[in-house]
Amino acid sequence: QKEVEQNSGPLSVPEGAIASLNCTYSDRGSQSFFWYRQYSGKSPELIMFIYSNGDKEDGRFTAQLNKASQYVSLLIRDSQPSDSATYLCAVMRGNNRLAFGKGNQVVVIP
Amino acid sequence: DAGITQSPRHKVTETGTPVTLRCHQTENHRYMYWYRQDPGHGLRLIHYSYGVKDTDKGEVSDGYSVSRSKTEDFLLTLESATSSQTSVYFCAISGLDGATSYEQYFGPGTRLTVT
Repeated sequence: QKEVEQNSGPLSVPEGAIASLNCTYSDRGSQSFFWYRQYSGKSPELIMFIYSNGDKEDGRFTAQLNKASQYVSLLIRDSQPSDSATYLCAVMRGNNRLAFGKGNQVVVIP
Repeated sequence: DAGITQSPRHKVTETGTPVTLRCHQTENHRYMYWYRQDPGHGLRLIHYSYGVKDTDKGEVSDGYSVSRSKTEDFLLTLESATSSQTSVYFCAISGLDGATSYEQYFGPGTRLTVT
């Protein structure tokens, strides 16, 4: 099993809808989880981090963590064309290192 | 803006030549990282530093070396570039003022092409 998996293919959502992204991880001892947004040709930008089970909301973004099931999700409410990007899930390893998933592309259709 | 720059931003070099990429931070972040990003592989850690002169290998370190002689600069060297090292290289930083914070912030990237 890969350390961090983002299995969904490109996600197309209508403008104003909710985009839902999922990420699973293999290390049950992982404590810290991150979501990055990356526009084409640009560097990854941190948009959310979550350390505790449950939900964390920041504006239109909600991160959900379920340690028992080893998954972390990102919800984007009221999706906008500017949300069209690739979203990277990352999980903290030891010594302040991150393991990244391969990313999910989101396309918001006006 | 986390105050991180990379140079050069673009470089084309020939196989067998040495190449050095520079990452510079303007704040006092303890940790610095070098990643490469390739289609189908995502972001992979090459080397990282947890302090001046303190570095360690990541998952794809073969063919790369690093140095950190002062807090603000982290250099990545390809001793003898190969075509397989054509990639986009990102530097990242974390741990402002030595704090135990895990969030990493990325530089703008360097696009390297080895011909």
